[in-house]
Amino acid sequence: GAVVSQHPSRVICKSGTSVKIECRSLDFQATTMFWYRQFPKQSLMLMATSNEGSKATYEQGVEKDKFLINHASLTLSTLTVTSAHPEDSSFYICSARYGTSGELFFGEGSRLTVL
Amino acid sequence: TQLLEQSPQFLSIQEGENLTVYCNSSSVFSSLQWYRQEPGEGPVLLVTVVTGGEVKKLKRLTFQFGDARKDSSLHITAAQPGDTGLYLCAGGDTDKLIFGTGTRLQVFP
Repeated sequence: GAVVSQHPSRVICKSGTSVKIECRSLDFQATTMFWYRQFPKQSLMLMATSNEGSKATYEQGVEKDKFLINHASLTLSTLTVTSAHPEDSSFYICSARYGTSGELFFGEGSRLTVL
Repeated sequence: TQLLEQSPQFLSIQEGENLTVYCNSSSVFSSLQWYRQEPGEGPVLLVTVVTGGEVKKLKRLTFQFGDARKDSSLHITAAQPGDTGLYLCAGGDTDKLIFGTGTRLQVFP
């Protein structure tokens, strides 16, 4: 199957700093990637849709200036959490749509802890 | 707003027992998917059901899509500790995949 990889898998930062998380499709090109957020013991919530070469589409309630998404190539989307605060601590997961079937493949997730 | 409610929310069983997880919605979905997620990892797709009334089997796992395409179930026969994880149903197009509330399964040896 197709492989999607996230980096870093874990990151700890101080409040007020910015953190960048990468999502890569390793063996296929993905014009569309998705970013999700998952709180402990809860389900995944879609944050935004990342489109290669255009602006991301954010879900209602997600601050676009807080969570910057860039999809500069067909294999890479990045999520930058700006001026992070402890309430931004969460598990962030990306997915990429593969081929014409549209099946989604998910990254391993990135756990952000803001102190 | 489309919602997918899963039940039960938590399930702790002994190895060898059978179990069923339900995924219900008031909305019609063109397809439903089931994922399994282990701690600290992303979800892994188990199956996609697209036809009302469809039944799919994956070894000890049996998936069913309701006739009206509003609900689905996952039945596990003779559960094993390796089945432990968070089970998520998800519906809708990949452009807007909506995840269910999740069922956390713990299988004890």
